[in-house]
Amino acid sequence: AQSVTQLDSHVSVSEGTPVLLRCNYSSSYSPSLFWYVQHPNKGLQLLLKYTSAATLVKGINGFEAEFKKSETSFHLTKPSAHMSDAAEYFCVVRQTGFQKLVFGTGTRLLVSP
Amino acid sequence: GAVVSQHPSWVICKSGTSVKIECRSLDFQATTMFWYRQFPKQSLMLMATSNEGSKATYEQGVEKDKFLINHASLTLSTLTVTSAHPEDSSFYICSARDRGGEIQPQHFGDGTRLSIL
Repeated sequence: AQSVTQLDSHVSVSEGTPVLLRCNYSSSYSPSLFWYVQHPNKGLQLLLKYTSAATLVKGINGFEAEFKKSETSFHLTKPSAHMSDAAEYFCVVRQTGFQKLVFGTGTRLLVSP
Repeated sequence: GAVVSQHPSWVICKSGTSVKIECRSLDFQATTMFWYRQFPKQSLMLMATSNEGSKATYEQGVEKDKFLINHASLTLSTLTVTSAHPEDSSFYICSARDRGGEIQPQHFGDGTRLSIL
């Protein structure tokens, strides 16, 4: 069975500083991994996805994530935070051969001026 | 591209009424749609998977007679909460996946906030 652990429920950064949102996964087979962002009272927007191609994945809005199999991690990073990045971020895993997504508990990113 | 429209965005109704939520894929054909429920400050929980032209597959613990799902076309799935009660109040989100199988990502609607008085 697959699962996702988002290690931080909240992350606070200042505008212009780097962002790191941590995610560890557990999966029996080769997983697909995703990061989604959710703004208040909105659905989820796909930031990026890993599907067994390049381990460093670039997404929208300057975000990227690196798949590290040895560490079972898929941390999300951005070099410089914007105020508009403040939102809830979900790390998601899908096991190859299955269509069900398993969501982490989410990390709320707070960006201060 | 890959826009999913969910309607209505907000519903307030009396206990005992039934509420229908629509999920449409606007610019692609979705053979599979998914319905999620999200409680405040929590993650998304999959309720059911809906395949066009067939019965929905419900997750364990989800009452199929309570949450009726219809996926009659490749661009529309509906969720009907029957005889809604206050404990059904929640944020309901749908997603749709393009043709091409499981490698395609899910695209999410903006959600429906349901409040039962």
